[in-house]
Amino acid sequence: DAGVTQSPTHLIKTRGQHVTLRCSPISGHKSVSWYQQVLGQGPQFIFQYYEKEERGRGNFPDRFSARQFPNYSSELNVNALLLGDSALYLCASSLGGGGGETQYFGPGTRLLVL
Amino acid sequence: AQSVTQLDSQVPVFEEAPVELRCNYSSSVSVYLFWYVQYPNQGLQLLLKYLSGSTLVESINGFEAEFNKSQTSFHLRKPSVHISDTAEYFCAVRTGGFKTIFGAGTRLFVKA
Repeated sequence: DAGVTQSPTHLIKTRGQHVTLRCSPISGHKSVSWYQQVLGQGPQFIFQYYEKEERGRGNFPDRFSARQFPNYSSELNVNALLLGDSALYLCASSLGGGGGETQYFGPGTRLLVL
Repeated sequence: AQSVTQLDSQVPVFEEAPVELRCNYSSSVSVYLFWYVQYPNQGLQLLLKYLSGSTLVESINGFEAEFNKSQTSFHLRKPSVHISDTAEYFCAVRTGGFKTIFGAGTRLFVKA
């Protein structure tokens, strides 16, 4: 079975632009989470979606938004990009949304904002 | 609120030597604890996790971690490391909710 896939793998944008990142979970998984990993730091939680509803949100500004589609794939949108948004964006999927669930991570999308 | 502290940012060690990567957490409620490994230019892979029961958990590649509630620690150990263990290791905590808190990571560098 395919693992979690993310697209694109790399992206270069300029300040003020908008970006959309995409994630396809493992087949059968209904929960998707998004994380931002700045170079040299651990991943920071952005959102979790379960059964197409937002179930958790981290301390990120409203410029960050996400949604989950009926096939459980997900999009992360970031508006009005800032230099500080440059990071590796990781998507993780799990069967359910519970605290003990194992999360499976994709390879990430590396975003560079110039 | 929960937090995770990984006490060492880098750990250099010779091949076949033992290693311990330290992790402390703070939480006012019961937690689930995880260790993830990240190889260069890759996503995170789950190494092992503690949910309940035995406080000692093991991975298939020789790592183990012990949950110590009184010291709020979940240190990762391996009795003999290999060159291929060179990677970044992240400790993480989760409560019954949906938010996972990661530590800043420890870079393990195994030298020949």
